[in-house]
Amino acid sequence: GESVGLHLPTLSVQEGDNSIINCAYSNSASDYFIWYKQESGKGPQFIIDIRSNMDKRQGQRVTVLLNKTVKHLSLQIAATQPGDSAVYFCAEQAPTGFQKLVFGTGTRLLVSP
Amino acid sequence: DGGITQSPKYLFRKEGQNVTLSCEQNLNHDAMYWYRQDPGQGLRLIYYSQIVNDFQKGDIAEGYSVSREKKESFPLTVTSAQKNPTAFYLCASSQGSSYNSPLHFGNGTRLTVT
Repeated sequence: GESVGLHLPTLSVQEGDNSIINCAYSNSASDYFIWYKQESGKGPQFIIDIRSNMDKRQGQRVTVLLNKTVKHLSLQIAATQPGDSAVYFCAEQAPTGFQKLVFGTGTRLLVSP
Repeated sequence: DGGITQSPKYLFRKEGQNVTLSCEQNLNHDAMYWYRQDPGQGLRLIYYSQIVNDFQKGDIAEGYSVSREKKESFPLTVTSAQKNPTAFYLCASSQGSSYNSPLHFGNGTRLTVT
């Protein structure tokens, strides 16, 4: 598979646990945020997004929390499964007039059976 | 099924040769993008195109070229001027340059130059 992140921060959890992946973003003007999941050898897959007028958004088994005061974003995965093992990226977008996303370096999630 | 197709999945070239990476989408998206991914780093934007026959440089365009002759296609050429071309290349598209729509990615091309 692809070595997309040889020296990434790693979060190791047991199957069934809840996982929390954190992201600090850089631009206080950013007002749109996305979480992507990337499995080995594949492109990033959209998980969930949130706009800055919200603090929390829920999807299926996932929740994104946004704290604009400290420029922090988190992704919570409930009842983590082995299939959730992947690298997770956050991305931020500022209102520049062009849809440019700035990506974080990613966190590797390892789920043990 | 709609999606983005990148080909080939693996590509090997000798130093000094130009190489073209293919990207095709059938999502009817106006905007397309090329990113480069290196181990331990976030994705970096090479080029983007908001509409047919128009494209703009991203953050790391030196040594690369693109064309956008058709809405569905956005090929990337890695030229011999690119000093460190070995990387994982990702193509993406979005509904338009309108704000707040996520990018959809292909499964990438791994380029190795020796």
